[in-house]
Parts: sequence; structure tokens; C-alpha cells
Amino acid sequence: EAGVAQSPRYKIIEKRQSVAFWCNPISGHATLYWYQQILGQGPKLLIQFQNNGVVDDSQLPKDRFSAERLKGVDSTLKIQPAKLEDSAVYLCASSRGLAGGRSTDTQYFGPGTRLTVL
Amino acid sequence: AQKVTQAQTEISVVEKEDVTLDCVYETRDTTYYLFWYKQPPSGELVFLIRRNSFDEQNEISGRYSWNFQKSTSSFNFTITASQVVDSAVYFCALSESGNYQLIWGAGTKLIIKP
Repeated sequence: EAGVAQSPRYKIIEKRQSVAFWCNPISGHATLYWYQQILGQGPKLLIQFQNNGVVDDSQLPKDRFSAERLKGVDSTLKIQPAKLEDSAVYLCASSRGLAGGRSTDTQYFGPGTRLTVL
Repeated sequence: AQKVTQAQTEISVVEKEDVTLDCVYETRDTTYYLFWYKQPPSGELVFLIRRNSFDEQNEISGRYSWNFQKSTSSFNFTITASQVVDSAVYFCALSESGNYQLIWGAGTKLIIKP
């Protein structure tokens, strides 16, 4: 079974530029998560989708971050415009969604995208 | 309030030593799940184990073992005969049955010296 795929693996941009990340979850997984992980810290949930609906986006900085999950499969996360403090690893995860998106499901993570904002 | 504490910021041992990573949690729920993830230098979070609150049996998987004690709200992780490839940051996480978010610990960086 293929794991969670993410691209790109690395991205370097100037502040105020835009950037987009792509995620393809494990086949059949209904729940998809985007996390931000700053160096030395645990992951912070940005947004969670159950199929193509948003379950939780309470920690997503909506003035600059947006995410979509078309057709309930792939997802993109966009930052526009980027700030220096957005430098982090962006992790995508998926789970089966048997618990309706609740956190009791095991989440499987992709390799992440390391973003550097200069 | 829910909380996960990994008091050990960094542990360094010599290869072949046994090492235990501590995880203490707080929750008011009677139904909850605990997880351990490994994050090697490559950055990917690798799932290790999921344990529900009704199953206090200890788990062993090769050199890895987990000790779940509800009486002390702890879910500790032991690596026996550590190897250099075990070097990583290890995260403990808590999930409550009614919630959508995992509560993550701060992680413990494990360094295994050859």
C-alpha cells in the first residue's frame, strides 16, 4: 500500500511570495490533515478534512493560509503572502476516517515539505 | 484539561544500552487512545503504536516495548539494545474519544552513539 505522498520536499521563497504544497493521502482514507511543525516543536494541526468537508480549521491563519481538498482525495495548502515565521515543515497525514474524523484514528504521515522563507 | 508531558528533552546513550522514554498524560475522559510516533532526521513521522485506555497489557514488538499504567497516567516506551538507527525524536500523543485533535507531547530527542 502506497503511503502519503507530498510535494515538493523542499521549497525556498522570499517573504511576501506565494507557495503551494500538494498532498495525496493513502488510498481510501477519508480524513486528511495538514500540520505545521516548527523546528524543535511538536506538530500543530492547521486544518482537517473529512472527505472534502472541513472538520477543524481553528488554527489555520486564514488571512494568509488556504487549503482545499477537491473530490475528497488530493489536497493543496497555500500560503499567500508568506512571512518569515512560516518557515517550518508542513506535514500531511491521512487516516481511515472510521471514527468520523475523530482523533482516535491512527494518522499516517507523509515525508513533509520543508519551507524556508527568506 | 488534556495534556501530554515528555519531560526528557534529550537523551543520549551508547549503542546497545537500554533506554526508556517517559510519557505522562492528563485527561478526564475514561475512553482515550495513546500513540507513539518516531521522527528520524528525514522528517517523516512514523507511527509506532496505538493503545486504548481499556487495554493495559504491555506491548512488545521486537526491541520496542511499551508500559501503560493508568494508575500513574503513564505510557512509557523502552528500546532494548539500542542501535544508531533508533536515533530520532519520539513523540507521545493523546486522543480523547470526542475530540478531533491529537494532543502532542513536546518530543524527546534520542541520540544513540556508536
